[in-house]
Amino acid sequence: DTAVSQTPKYLVTQMGNDKSIKCEQNLGHDTMYWYKQDSKKFLKIMFSYNNKELIINETVPNRFSPKSPDKAHLNLHINSLELGDSAVYFCASSQTGTGGNQPQHFGDGTRLSIL
Amino acid sequence: GENVEQHPSTLSVQEGDSAVIKCTYSDSASNYFPWYKQELGKRPQLIIDIRSNVGEKKDQRIAVTLNKTAKHFSLHITETQPEDSAVYFCAASRGNKLTFGTGTQLKVEL
Repeated sequence: DTAVSQTPKYLVTQMGNDKSIKCEQNLGHDTMYWYKQDSKKFLKIMFSYNNKELIINETVPNRFSPKSPDKAHLNLHINSLELGDSAVYFCASSQTGTGGNQPQHFGDGTRLSIL
Repeated sequence: GENVEQHPSTLSVQEGDSAVIKCTYSDSASNYFPWYKQELGKRPQLIIDIRSNVGEKKDQRIAVTLNKTAKHFSLHITETQPEDSAVYFCAASRGNKLTFGTGTQLKVEL
């Protein structure tokens, strides 16, 4: 069973379109994240939700809008796609612990290509 | 905010040799330091982590050391094997926010 699953795995679309990526985790974690990995492999946090509440919102264009309907799901909607949005988007989850930070588990990624 | 620097960007070793990857961080309040391995086309996978109250941690062929005073931490892989070839990322966090290093492409040659 996949712990953190993302759909779709590949997304090829035209510039200017709107698209969504979905993420679900079955680990019972209370915190979920979106990361962007660019062509140089640099991994950067975009958003984080804890129990459906936005807790991290990095400097990301407002064309990107995350939504968390419940703590097991975190979706990412992107409006007016641009060439620079081409990247691999990773979802991750972790459990808030009283002992400090807990490991983040990543999904398999969504490879977004803008034509 | 936190800034994590990672060196080297590429590393080639002969099978059986050791590999060392080094990272520095800027935020003295960071208290959790995981290392991830990412194979080509795959997701980052946690291989080992260390918290700020520990100076060293070992798991079979992998070890991590942390020097809080100098804000340095390192990954050591002994007896490298071809399947160790991948990109390795260090990271530092304060709270839930992980800041990643720029990655090290490790190649283990036969």
